[in-house]
Amino acid sequence: QKQLQESGPGLVKPSETLSLTCTVSGGSISSSSYSWGWIRQPPGKGLEWIGDIYYDGDTNYNPSLKSRVAISVDTSTNQFSLKLNSVTAADTAVYYCARWSRSVGCFDPWGQGALVSVSS
Amino acid sequence: DIQMTQSPSSVSASVGDRVTITCRASQDIRSWLLWYQKKPGKAPDLLISSASNLQSGVPSRFSGSGYGTDFTLTISSLRPEDFAIYYCQQARSFPLTFGGGTKVEI
Repeated sequence: QKQLQESGPGLVKPSETLSLTCTVSGGSISSSSYSWGWIRQPPGKGLEWIGDIYYDGDTNYNPSLKSRVAISVDTSTNQFSLKLNSVTAADTAVYYCARWSRSVGCFDPWGQGALVSVSS
Repeated sequence: DIQMTQSPSSVSASVGDRVTITCRASQDIRSWLLWYQKKPGKAPDLLISSASNLQSGVPSRFSGSGYGTDFTLTISSLRPEDFAIYYCQQARSFPLTFGGGTKVEI
């Protein structure tokens, strides 16, 4: 059964870089059928797509975050990672990683989510 | 960007009620429409893909319909475990975008 788990610091200072890793278990991240995505949800707000990556490194980013975000993949460890630089309080959110089905076009499954707070 | 507009933003209902949530896309997305259920403190669960395909394990009281710009999610007979927030999402083009959510509450 495919599972995803986010990990990383729960507190980041303003202007610094938020870094999260998603570990995929129960299957290979190198599957040609899927990409791997990040989605976030600020407290009390809706869901926002951040971006996704294919196992070969091909990425798509939300234009609203593109200048600050980088997603990378490590097929040897079955992990993919998110870096968001120059963070502010507005980046405080629960960050989810999820598998993106390239044929059906859906996120499933999702990780449990990681709360990242931006505060000094 | 394709804007997704859900209505209503919240609905008060009782167990056994029929609930209908609508999602409108700002441009034609064909059937590239997903529905997710989200409960507090948990990750979203995929309910429906391709506008109307019920995911394995999802109760048959959930159904989706629509094509193009107008879509609906219907819960035919509300159960206590269905009280949650429901989100639509378009998968027609990047950037992927979600609706603002519909809270189904008592």
